[in-house]
Amino acid sequence: EVQLVQSGAEMKKPGESLKISCKASGYSFTLYWIGWVRQMPGKGLEWMGFIYPGDSEIRYSPSFQGQVTISADKSITTAYLQWSSLKASDTAIYYCARLAAPGTSHVGWFDPWGQGTLVTVSS
Amino acid sequence: QSVLTQPPSVSGAPGQRVTISCTGSSSNLGAGYDVHWYQQLPGIAPKLLIYGNINRPSGVPDRFSASKSGTSASLAITGLQAEDEADYYCQSYDRSLSGPLFGGGTKLTVL
Repeated sequence: EVQLVQSGAEMKKPGESLKISCKASGYSFTLYWIGWVRQMPGKGLEWMGFIYPGDSEIRYSPSFQGQVTISADKSITTAYLQWSSLKASDTAIYYCARLAAPGTSHVGWFDPWGQGTLVTVSS
Repeated sequence: QSVLTQPPSVSGAPGQRVTISCTGSSSNLGAGYDVHWYQQLPGIAPKLLIYGNINRPSGVPDRFSASKSGTSASLAITGLQAEDEADYYCQSYDRSLSGPLFGGGTKLTVL
């Protein structure tokens, strides 16, 4: 079974750093793009960026470029999303999701999705 | 600006048929990119409902169907059930964004 399991909820203060994870299993990790999607409280889905673990190519949405860092560790089939200095406006649920078609083309649909990681940033 | 526009809300009584529209532009749907649909039940991660404009993944009831024409797409749900109450999102690829683009989402209320 293809599965993405994300790390648990986090509560942080503004200015702190954070790295959340997405553990993949049930498929060849290096062959599929993994994306990150933000959902702010009561709002819709926003694509943040994704990584192709095969060659570590990363693409960011212009809205998130420079705000977050996406990475992956092939040896443990895990993708990461990190912040160096959190803001209150980063409070959201963050989902990882796999682009469903294998290969280097990053056009397609997301399936499956991780269960989401709630990040709360408050002083 | 890259946008996929959905109605904020739709509603219908049990057993009825509802449709949810998704309107794009020449940089996404109009450029020939496929549209995909997701269902997000309250408090749960989104789930793929339709991919490649018209295809249902295994396990999705045939009450759900979709179509695409030009810069527009739509999702239809027939025989509405209480369990269909959820948020629905369309998604495509946008060449201006060079990445996936989601619609704003539509909240379906089953009356």
